[in-house]
Amino acid sequence: NAGVMQNPRHLVRRRGQEARLRCSPMKGHSHVYWYRQLPEEGLKFMVYLQKENIIDESGMPKERFSAEFPKEGPSILRIQQVVRGDSAAYFCASSSLLAGASYEQYFGPGTRLTVT
Amino acid sequence: RKEVEQDPGPFNVPEGATVAFNCTYSNSASQSFFWYRQDCRKEPKLLMSVYSSGNEDGRFTAQLNRASQYISLLIRDSKLSDSATYLCVVKRAGNKLVFGAGTILRVKS
Repeated sequence: NAGVMQNPRHLVRRRGQEARLRCSPMKGHSHVYWYRQLPEEGLKFMVYLQKENIIDESGMPKERFSAEFPKEGPSILRIQQVVRGDSAAYFCASSSLLAGASYEQYFGPGTRLTVT
Repeated sequence: RKEVEQDPGPFNVPEGATVAFNCTYSNSASQSFFWYRQDCRKEPKLLMSVYSSGNEDGRFTAQLNRASQYISLLIRDSKLSDSATYLCVVKRAGNKLVFGAGTILRVKS
């Protein structure tokens, strides 16, 4: 059973470019979460999605950041007009919706974004 | 004040030692509790969920005290491979995880 998959693993963008990060949840999981870890800091929640729905985006910066989880395909975290402060590790997690599940979240390997 | 507080360490212990980590959380509405471990620059990996009755998984024992809003992790017979950052994590309503900054453990031979 494949785990959470993220690509690319490393992404370099110049200031002003767009970054697209992809996440495929574990098989059977229908909930996806994005977290950001800035250098030397803890993980911070960004957004929680189910298929075609944003459930909670309270951790997303108000501008330049967006996320989607379409009916088909991976979840996408999009950062427009990147700035140096966006350099971080972006982790995706997924969980199950099965009755009785504890909603434990399992993390992908992350995408390390570097803005030059 | 941070919502989840941990002693950052580092805890430097010899192989075979027993080591305990503590964590406090401020939001009494927190619903679920976990310990994750994170190796350098890698993804957090779920170590164990934490229940009020306490739970054990091999050399690892976790305890939750809801009245004191306190979580602990005990590692017995430490191995070199236990060296990592241990993250105390609480889940709020709506499945949002809140992470502590982590406690660094270094096990030395």
